[in-house]
Amino acid sequence: GDSVTQMEGPVTLSEEAFLTINCTYTATGYPSLFWYVQYPGEGLQLLLKATKADDKGSNKGFEATYRKETTSFHLEKGSVQVSDSAVYFCALNLMFSGGYNKLIFGAGTRLAVHP
Amino acid sequence: DGGITQSPKYLFRKEGQNVTLSCEQNLNHDAMYWYRQDPGQGLRLIYYSQIVNDFQKGDIAEGYSVSREKKESFPLTVTSAQKNPTAFYLCASTEGSVETQYFGPGTRLLVL
Repeated sequence: GDSVTQMEGPVTLSEEAFLTINCTYTATGYPSLFWYVQYPGEGLQLLLKATKADDKGSNKGFEATYRKETTSFHLEKGSVQVSDSAVYFCALNLMFSGGYNKLIFGAGTRLAVHP
Repeated sequence: DGGITQSPKYLFRKEGQNVTLSCEQNLNHDAMYWYRQDPGQGLRLIYYSQIVNDFQKGDIAEGYSVSREKKESFPLTVTSAQKNPTAFYLCASTEGSVETQYFGPGTRLLVL
C-alpha cells in the first residue's frame, strides 16, 4: 500500500549546520509530496510541496526535490537556526474521484538545534 | 484573519463519558478532516467530509462520530467506545480539489 518512511530522530545539530532529513515513499502513480512542520504544542504548517517529478519545493531556506527514480523527497537546509527546532513530517497526497484528497504521513522527525 | 480554530486546547474525559471537540473554519473550504496524533507517530485519519451533510470514515473511525451540519463546522465526538482516547487531535480543511491541507492548532485529550 501507499506509505511514507522518514529517518528516525531526534536529529540534533548545532546552529548553522547543514540539515538533511530523508524521506522515501511508496505509491501507485505520481502523488504530490509535502513537508509539514509542527512546532511544540501546535498544529501542522505546510513548509513546502512538489507536485511532479524533478520539481523543487522551497520555503524559508528549506528545499526538497521530487525524485521519481529514487522515490524520495529529502528535506535540506544549508544553515539551521535554533528557531527551526520542531518536528518535520513528510507526506504524500492521494487524490480520489470526486475531489477527495487523502494525506499519508510519515512518523515525523524531531529536529533539535542548539546554539 | 482566515483560519481554523479548535477548542478546547485541553480536554479531560472521565471513564464512560462522551466528549466533543470543536473545529471551525472561516476559509470557506469544502472539505474537512479529523486526524489523531500519538507520540512518535504520524497522523492517522479518523473521518473526513467533502460537503455539508456528508462524511466518510477514515482509517481509524471506531469509537468516534462526527457531524457536518454547516460548511464551517465539523465537530468530533469521542465516545465511550473509544478505549484509548488519549492523543492530540487535529482538524484540517482544503478548498475543493486543491491538495494542500490547512491545520488547526489541535486539542489534547486526556483521560482522568
